[in-house]
Parts: sequence; C-alpha cells; structure tokens
Amino acid sequence: ETGVTQTPRHLVMGMTNKKSLKCEQHLGHNAMYWYKQSAKKPLELMFVYSLEERVENNSVPSRFSPECPNSSHLFLHLHTLQPEDSALYLCASSQEGQGKSGYTFGSGTRLTVV
Amino acid sequence: AQTVTQSQPEMSVQEAETVTLSCTYDTSENNYYLFWYKQPPSRQMILVIRQEAYKQQNATENRFSVNFQKAAKSFSLKISDSQLGDTAMYFCAFMKRGGSQGNLIFGKGTKLSVKP
Repeated sequence: ETGVTQTPRHLVMGMTNKKSLKCEQHLGHNAMYWYKQSAKKPLELMFVYSLEERVENNSVPSRFSPECPNSSHLFLHLHTLQPEDSALYLCASSQEGQGKSGYTFGSGTRLTVV
Repeated sequence: AQTVTQSQPEMSVQEAETVTLSCTYDTSENNYYLFWYKQPPSRQMILVIRQEAYKQQNATENRFSVNFQKAAKSFSLKISDSQLGDTAMYFCAFMKRGGSQGNLIFGKGTKLSVKP
C-alpha cells in the first residue's frame, strides 16, 4: 500500500454537484500537492501546500478549492465543474529540503463530469 | 522556464529485450535533479530512478539505467531484460535543486508495451 492514499478511486458527478477528493499521507512529509492528469498532456500542477500553507495556485479556476487542515491531509473541493474537468487527479507529498527524493504519489481519483 | 520533452508517445519491446526511452529538457539551471517515473495501469506514479545533475556517473537501479548527457540536456532511460510488468507510462521529470516546493516538471510521457 502506498504511503499516499486517495479516495475515492472513481467519481462521477454532475455539473451542479458538490464533491470532495481526499488525500492522506503517512510519510511524515511537510508538503502536499494536487496534480491534474489529462490524456496527451503533461501533468499539471494545481496546488501546493507547504507546512499547511498554500504556496502556489497555478491559475486554477475557483470551482476547485483546496483545503489542508494538517500536514497529513489534503482535500480538493469541487463544485459546478465542467466536462473538460474530467481527468485523473493525483495527490503527492514530499519533504522540503529533500528534493532528490522526488515526490510520492497516490493512485489518483478518476473524475468524470457528466 | 524549464521544459521536458519526451518525443516518443508510444514504444513497444519484446520480453527480455532492451529498450531506451528518450527525454530532453531545457533549463538555464546548473543544479537540478532528473527523475523517471513509471505509471502502470494501477495509476500510481512510482519513482524508478533519479539522477543528480552534479554527478557525472549515470544512475543505475537493477535493470534500469540512465544515460545522462548534461551538455546535451538529454536523460534517456534504458530498461534491460524487459518484463511484462514493465508495461506502463513512463514520465521524465525535472526539478531545480533548492527551488520552491512544487517545481517538479513532467514530460508528456511514453507509453511502453512489453510483448510476450
């Protein structure tokens, strides 16, 4: 089992729904990330939390709202999404100052917006 | 800004053969890390191998090795004795050393199929 756990694995939601994606890391890392993975495109960094504070928001639409209540948990709240938001959403974590270790990823949530 | 290019969208190899996946990157930095990640159908991104730019020696992890050419900004992955379990998407990634969090930049990936 990975040190980074994401739930749910699959999610189908309508454009008017509100849902949340959850990520939990058991590695003692102090930084967490949300990535969007669409077909034929590089992974897109959405949000970065370091020491529980958001440090980067790469011009992500406001219909995506992250929350990091503590260093082990990260949420992505979704509301009024569009069909083009359908993608695999990956969570990752890392330890600041240990860049050579790279990031540890979860298995992702496959989101389909109908 | 840094960019990572993987010019081979798909590749295939026979089981037990050797295959090389290409990656080039563009940066003005001198200190950085390079990574290869594997994403099997289970979707989890798994770190396969990493290289520190200040080390001239190519990294090796069992059947996986890299050919790091710093001047050419090239970082290819060689998989020896390919196994069916190597079937996956492979992503090359770049990270500036000492940079802010969230600076891991990925290429578009290469889909590798290992055929029996």
